[in-house]
Order: sequence, then C-alpha cells, then structure tokens
Amino acid sequence: SQTIHQWPATLVQPVGSPLSLECTVEGTSNPNLYWYRQAAGRGLQLLFYSVGIGQISSEVPQNLSASRPQDRQFILSSKKLLLSDSGFYLCATAGRTGTSGYEQYFGPGTRLTVT
Amino acid sequence: GESVGLHLPTLSVQEGDNSIINCAYSNSASDYFIWYKQESGKGPQFIIDIRSNMDKRQGQRVTVLLNKTVKHLSLQIAATQPGDSAVYFCAENWGNTPLVFGKGTRLSVIA
Repeated sequence: SQTIHQWPATLVQPVGSPLSLECTVEGTSNPNLYWYRQAAGRGLQLLFYSVGIGQISSEVPQNLSASRPQDRQFILSSKKLLLSDSGFYLCATAGRTGTSGYEQYFGPGTRLTVT
Repeated sequence: GESVGLHLPTLSVQEGDNSIINCAYSNSASDYFIWYKQESGKGPQFIIDIRSNMDKRQGQRVTVLLNKTVKHLSLQIAATQPGDSAVYFCAENWGNTPLVFGKGTRLSVIA
C-alpha cells in the first residue's frame, strides 16, 4: 500500500517570506502526484499535478509553483507568500484499485498560516 | 466540477438515524465517482466508489447511488454514529484526468 509523507505538519510564515513544502511517497513507483489546497471550512482546490519527473501541470494561476525532482518527491514552493496562501495543503497520489477503479490517496497535510 | 470557493453546507442527523448526503456533478463524460470522508485536521479518506455502468454500490453501512440522467450522486450512511461526523466530498473523473472534487458537506451527528 502507498504511504504519503508531508512536512512540516504545521507552519507559520510572515507575508513575503518563501515557502517550501515537501511530499514523499512510499510503496509505489512512477505515481501521479497532486497538490491540493483547502481553505478553512471549504472544499479541495487542485493546484498542481505531475505524471512524471519534471512534468508539472498547473491548474490555478497563482504565486505558487511545484517541482518534481525525483520520482517520489513533490515540492510546493513560493518565493513570496500572500495572506491568501493560508490553508491546509494536501499531497496526493493516484492508483488503481483491485476493482479496476481509481483511488486517490492523501497525505496527512500541512497547515500553513501566513501572518 | 463544483466551486471550491463556497462555505460548506451542513447536515445535522440524530445518532442512529440514516444520513443522506447529496452531490451534483457537472460533467456528463465522468465515468468514475468516489466519496471521501475528511475528519478535522486530516487528509480525506476513501469511503466508497462507483463506476458509471452501475447505479448502486453497497459497502459496510454505506451505499452510493448514481443517477446519470440527472447527474446526481448520493451517499447513504446507515445508523449514523458520532464517529461519522466529518466533511464528506464527492469526486469525479474520466479517463486519466485528475479527480474533480465537489464542495463538500459537513455531517454533524447529534448524540
């Protein structure tokens, strides 16, 4: 089974500071990887997804960027944080279930507060 | 997909009663649907899925119903328990495209 690690678990950063959130995956190779953001009390917003090393698709234009330097590593970055970047950031992979379905596994998340 | 910019609707249910959480999807090409449960401070967890060639699928205490005619998906939870309190999301996709998540519904179980 797949395991997703995210760190840090919580982060408080001032406006204008840089950001780096890391996600690593175990138990699978060549996974599709995703970054989601969830604002407090709201739904999930897909930010980026990657189907392979160096391949990043951006779903929402913003001051965030993503990189995939290794097969099972996905990084979310920003050069200058905005207040609106506060939220719960979730890394996810996708995989096929035994019933020919498709499941998305989520990491534990990073709670970012920009002050 | 649904808007992710709106506050979540809330469903309050008495413990022991059945819960029905609804979701409308927009893409008629979607062929796979999943329900997720998200507890406070945690990532979403898979509950049950259904493919578009089915209209009903049952799990342990949960049933998913799919009505493709009106593009509607529902999650039924039997004998709702306090541990069922969470936010529930539906998600859809087609082919290998990323999942598109609905806005979510907060289920609050009254003991």
